[in-house]
Amino acid sequence: GESVGLHLPTLSVQEGDNSIINCAYSNSASDYFIWYKQESGKGPQFIIDIRSNMDKRQGQRVTVLLNKTVKHLSLQIAATQPGDSAVYFCAEKKLYNFNKFYFGSGTKLNVKP
Amino acid sequence: EAGVTQFPSHSVIEKGQTVTLRCDPISGHDNLYWYRRVMGKEIKFLLHFVKESKQDESGMPNNRFLAERTGGTYSTLKVQPAELEDSGVYFCASSPRQSNSPLHFGNGTRLTVT
Repeated sequence: GESVGLHLPTLSVQEGDNSIINCAYSNSASDYFIWYKQESGKGPQFIIDIRSNMDKRQGQRVTVLLNKTVKHLSLQIAATQPGDSAVYFCAEKKLYNFNKFYFGSGTKLNVKP
Repeated sequence: EAGVTQFPSHSVIEKGQTVTLRCDPISGHDNLYWYRRVMGKEIKFLLHFVKESKQDESGMPNNRFLAERTGGTYSTLKVQPAELEDSGVYFCASSPRQSNSPLHFGNGTRLTVT
C-alpha cells in the first residue's frame, strides 16, 4: 500500500475558528485526491476533491490545497462548527487506476463549543 | 437516489465461525469496492469489481476471504473461518464507470471476532 498520512493526530479547535487538516502522500504519480469526513457509525462521506492539475479548490466553507512539490494536501474548514467534529481522511488515486484509492489513517477533529 | 447499503451493521462471531457481509451499491454503478479499517488505522483497500468481474483483489488478506458479485449487482464478502485479526469495520463503496469520480461509501459492517 501507499503511505498517505499514516498518523492519526487529533485537532481541537474552538467553534468559529478555522481548522486546517494536513495530509502527506508519497506517490508522485497520484492524479486525483479526495477529502472524506467520517462521523461515528457512518461511512466516509465525500467533502471535496481536487485533480493534480490544480493547486486549490474551494467549496462551501472548505478549501483544499495541493502542493505537488512536497506531496502535501490540506483541508481548510472556515468557521468550524460542532457538526464538523469527525475523523477526516485524505485519499489519493494513481493515474489510470480505476478509482482505486489509498487512504490515510485520518485526523480526528474536535470542535469545542 | 438510494445510497450504498450494507448488511449487517454489526456482527459478533467466534473465532472459527463464518460470516457473510452484503453490499448493495448505488444502482447503475459498475465499480464496487471493499475496504477495511482495523483498530483505528487507515482504511485499506481489499478488492475492486467492475460489474461482475474482479478487477483487482490485491488487498485481500488471505484465502479465508472470498468476495463475489454475481450478476454485477450486489456483492458479498465471506470470511471463513474468521480469526481474531479480522475484526474491524468493513466498508463497501461504489462509483460510476467514469474515471476520477469519488467513491460513495456505505455505513460499514462492524465485525468483532471473539
